Amino acid sequence: EAEVAQSPRYKITEKSQAVAFWCDPISGHATLYWYRQILGQGPELLVQFQDESVVDDSQLPKDRFSAERLKGVDSTLKIQPAELGDSAMYLCASSPTSGGSGRANTQYFGPGTRLTVL
Amino acid sequence: GENVEQHPSTLSVQEGDSAVIKCTYSDSASNYFPWYKQELGKRPQLIIDIRSNVGEKKDQRIAVTLNKTAKHFSLHITETQPEDSAVYFCAARKAAGNKLTFGGGTRVLVKP
Repeated sequence: EAEVAQSPRYKITEKSQAVAFWCDPISGHATLYWYRQILGQGPELLVQFQDESVVDDSQLPKDRFSAERLKGVDSTLKIQPAELGDSAMYLCASSPTSGGSGRANTQYFGPGTRLTVL
Repeated sequence: GENVEQHPSTLSVQEGDSAVIKCTYSDSASNYFPWYKQELGKRPQLIIDIRSNVGEKKDQRIAVTLNKTAKHFSLHITETQPEDSAVYFCAARKAAGNKLTFGGGTRVLVKP
């Protein structure tokens, strides 16, 4: 069964450094999501792509976070500079589509990247 | 925007007993409500979902109920087993955009 892939699984960095996370969605999935999950809380959407276009980045701290999905397949999330409060699990998810009410827009999650900022 | 509240935050049950987790949502336009199970160190996985045109859905030992008028939905796990121990998240979504808003999670511990 195809799964969403993420790397690295763990990242430790010092504050003010730059970090980057990579996500490879399930093949053929047009929609890709980046979530941040703080320990003990539910995931919070940071950015949503439809193919290569951003459709929602309202919760993305744009002064330090950036995301791209240049060819509409894999995606990179970058933080520069990292701050102590950025320590969290960063989850990537994908879905075949993003509209309607059928199972075609079920979101499938990757294993996440756990970021620790020292 | 949408706000989803989930209770309780932790739930301890004896093996074989039932577990119930409740969620409320704020946006009446939400029409899709999935539940995800996240085991320690693993990815969230969809276990059941319900759409707003349905009041109840069952899949073996798990069931979800939806009350659109009161804007709340619940997850029911019957005959709990140790492998049901995990964190469970509810979520709500409007038709357009597919943005999921998650609850805070419930840590379920099934004691053998």
